[in-house]
Amino acid sequence: NAGVTQTPKFQVLKTGQSMTLQCAQDMNHEYMSWYRQDPGMGLRLIHYSVGAGITDQGEVPNGYNVSRSTTEDFPLRLLSAAPSQTSVYFCASSYVTSGDTDTQYFGPGTRLTVL
Amino acid sequence: GQQLNQSPQSMFIQEGEDVSMNCTSSSIFNTWLWYKQDPGEGPVLLIALYKAGELTSNGRLTAQFGITRKDSFLNISASIPSDVGIYFCAGQPGSGGSNYKLTFGKGTLLTVNP
Repeated sequence: NAGVTQTPKFQVLKTGQSMTLQCAQDMNHEYMSWYRQDPGMGLRLIHYSVGAGITDQGEVPNGYNVSRSTTEDFPLRLLSAAPSQTSVYFCASSYVTSGDTDTQYFGPGTRLTVL
Repeated sequence: GQQLNQSPQSMFIQEGEDVSMNCTSSSIFNTWLWYKQDPGEGPVLLIALYKAGELTSNGRLTAQFGITRKDSFLNISASIPSDVGIYFCAGQPGSGGSNYKLTFGKGTLLTVNP
């Protein structure tokens, strides 16, 4: 049981380049999400998904696309990277319980620098 | 959007001291969570709180869900060097389509001097 895995761990891009950050979980969690973490800002939700084929926007979705074709994978795409997207990106997953509660498990993060 | 005010922003303490940090919100949450993040790692869940007034312990950690559902605190007793890290509170509204969205505080950076 590897939990939540993210690749790559580090990435440097030039402005305008595109790339996909990978996230996978092997816990059969329905819910997956992407956050970005910037100094002094805490974690901010980018996009999330409550199941395969279902995605929705979080607090800061502009410049990012997501898709959820399988339960296990939830890639985050940057179509045209900008320096403002320099950040640490975390993927998280959880069960969707019968109530309002779920506890999210985080991956190790991808550190992205856009020059 | 919802905002969480977490304080203090940073703390410098001596090993063995107790620590207290808190979060307040302008709106109600149905779940409060406390995470710890070590350098270069993702946040790890420490304690989850599901009911107003709930007091929950996890070893030397104790957290409470405020009666008003707009605040929570985390206490660490008898701190040790490995307690160093950033502590985040997070709230979950738990209503309608926003059941799953977590709002995070900006974190408390804890430094423990041996």
